[in-house]
Amino acid sequence: QVQLVESGGGVVQPGRSLRLSCAASGFVFRSYAMHWVRQAPGKGLEWVAVISYDGNNQYYADSVKGRLTVSRDNSQNTLYLQMNSLRTEDTAVYYCATSTSSTPDSWGQGTLVTVSS
Amino acid sequence: DVVMTQSPLSLSVTLGQPASISCRSSQSLVYSDGNTFLTWFQQRPGQSPRRLIYKVSNRDSGVPDRFSGSGSGTDFTLKISRVEAEDVGVYYCMQGTHRPLTFGGGTKVEIK
Repeated sequence: QVQLVESGGGVVQPGRSLRLSCAASGFVFRSYAMHWVRQAPGKGLEWVAVISYDGNNQYYADSVKGRLTVSRDNSQNTLYLQMNSLRTEDTAVYYCATSTSSTPDSWGQGTLVTVSS
Repeated sequence: DVVMTQSPLSLSVTLGQPASISCRSSQSLVYSDGNTFLTWFQQRPGQSPRRLIYKVSNRDSGVPDRFSGSGSGTDFTLKISRVEAEDVGVYYCMQGTHRPLTFGGGTKVEIK
């Protein structure tokens, strides 16, 4: 059974950095592309980024390009989101998800990132 | 970017009655390989999203058959044949054909 557990969220000041992790189990992690999706408090879903199964290709939403970086360690079954130059509008629950048929499939429980001074 | 527009914003439905949600895209969602990557998600209160339907009309494993998806090109629909109490939540469409991927704004379903 697919299990995805996000961690690393917390309160951070604007302009600072944070790294999120997503620990995967129950499936062959190295065979799947992976997504990050976020949801601001009380708002809808916003796609953030996707990384190919081998880590060689990444795509980003315009709102995060140049500041957020997705990566993965297939030897550790872990997905990462490095978040730099954080802004108040980055405040959200961040979900990782497997990718099948080009869209998020199984989702984690999410981790909350609050950017505030 | 492809804009996904859902309607209605909210829906109040009597138990056992049908419900329908519309999703329109600003561009065709037909990919060069012929697939149409239109997906529907359900998000129950306090829970993570759950995928219901992928590639327009394919139900994910474990999704009740009262949920169905249809449409083509730029016009898509999610139907619930008989609404049950557990269907309360927000429903989102999403396109995976064009980068960046984009979601609709969501439709809140409640019981009347």
